[in-house]
Amino acid sequence: DTGVSQDPRHKITKRGQNVTFRCDPISEHNRLYWYRQTLGQGPEFLTYFQNEAQLEKSRLLSDRFSAERPKGSFSTLEIQRTEQGDSAMYLCASSRGLAGNTGELFFGEGSRLTVL
Amino acid sequence: GENVEQHPSTLSVQEGDSAVIKCTYSDSASNYFPWYKQELGKRPQLIIDIRSNVGEKKDQRIAVTLNKTAKHFSLHITETQPEDSAVYFCAASIEGSNYKLTFGKGTLLTVNP
Repeated sequence: DTGVSQDPRHKITKRGQNVTFRCDPISEHNRLYWYRQTLGQGPEFLTYFQNEAQLEKSRLLSDRFSAERPKGSFSTLEIQRTEQGDSAMYLCASSRGLAGNTGELFFGEGSRLTVL
Repeated sequence: GENVEQHPSTLSVQEGDSAVIKCTYSDSASNYFPWYKQELGKRPQLIIDIRSNVGEKKDQRIAVTLNKTAKHFSLHITETQPEDSAVYFCAASIEGSNYKLTFGKGTLLTVNP
């Protein structure tokens, strides 16, 4: 499967613990996005990378959230000191760069976080 | 920032009928409007998109219309089939920037056989 893959698919944690999610984008895509989706809502933008550079972060992304994309390949999203309000589906998406970019985002299956 | 409103939140139709979902956006700079379909437990997938230089685009049973003056766009599905049942999201962004999408809240479409 050459699509966007995310790991783990499900994570249950206790409040106050740290969690980390990984996203492997489609190999030729140099843009990578993180979105958060809660029940009954559309995906909300969190952050965006072009290659290894994090170019934009949403105000939704508190100081407890950090994302990285070392070497412009896979990305990680870490949430420190989790709160119950962090429970959501975390979606990763990738797309081509400027050249050949049609605008389409290719989403992964998501990582579902439950904070008890 | 951009704000996208989507209606209705749920829509139930009989197989073979048409379905229409409507969205409005707030940022007049937005010029790229995709629609994503998300089946239960699956990833969102692009089904059709439209850019501000056209007013309508069709792809088989799916069409999207755009009214830039009124800042609204709509998805039309004709001859609906049970496999069209899913949540549909509209979105808006500024093409040529980072393609950061602002999504609507989604419409749960149920097609009854």
